[in-house]
Amino acid sequence: GESVGLHLPTLSVQEGDNSIINCAYSNSASDYFIWYKQESGKGPQFIIDIRSNMDKRQGQRVTVLLNKTVKHLSLQIAATQPGDSAVYFCAERWGGGSYIPTFGRGTSLIVHP
Amino acid sequence: KAGVTQTPRYLIKTRGQQVTLSCSPISGHRSVSWYQQTPGQGLQFLFEYFSETQRNKGNFPGRFSGRQFSNSRSEMNVSTLELGDSALYLCASSLRDSLSGANVLTFGAGSRLTVL
Repeated sequence: GESVGLHLPTLSVQEGDNSIINCAYSNSASDYFIWYKQESGKGPQFIIDIRSNMDKRQGQRVTVLLNKTVKHLSLQIAATQPGDSAVYFCAERWGGGSYIPTFGRGTSLIVHP
Repeated sequence: KAGVTQTPRYLIKTRGQQVTLSCSPISGHRSVSWYQQTPGQGLQFLFEYFSETQRNKGNFPGRFSGRQFSNSRSEMNVSTLELGDSALYLCASSLRDSLSGANVLTFGAGSRLTVL
């Protein structure tokens, strides 16, 4: 998701639902992608990563899907919990360039008990 | 093991002053990166240091500088502060530098700078 000005895209879900957070990345040559979670007052925290030679990767309650054709990344969170409330960032890394990850604007996930 | 430690957590400065922020990486991590986070621009890369050498630099003016010490601790400095420098400054450490491949960053909690 892309932000407009100061407003982040927001996803509101009920506790126990599955959440899907989307991210459009910019560089078709990016070879590595990471999802980070940032809770209020904290720095971003690594969730899961995926290389460009994969379409899907699963972690604990999270799944990342990569669609290189449309340059789209998604993070699926199963059985969302109130503790999942945070801002989620996707980051892309271009191995042919500076190798420095470029972060998206973020999506705010709000989980209602 | 201890995480990435940034000091100070909060600070207030006035325009024209300078500020120095400190970052202690995770023990054993030799790479330190700095990011600026603002509501309008998101996370913007400032610089990356590895073994006391600046490896990469983002698109920021020369007022922003940094360095890394032999113990991997890093500092960044912003001189002649402007109102637009108000932001959360995040430090991240990793085992390897960005050129080494897939590299997960571990972030500190940040230093919140307010420029009046």
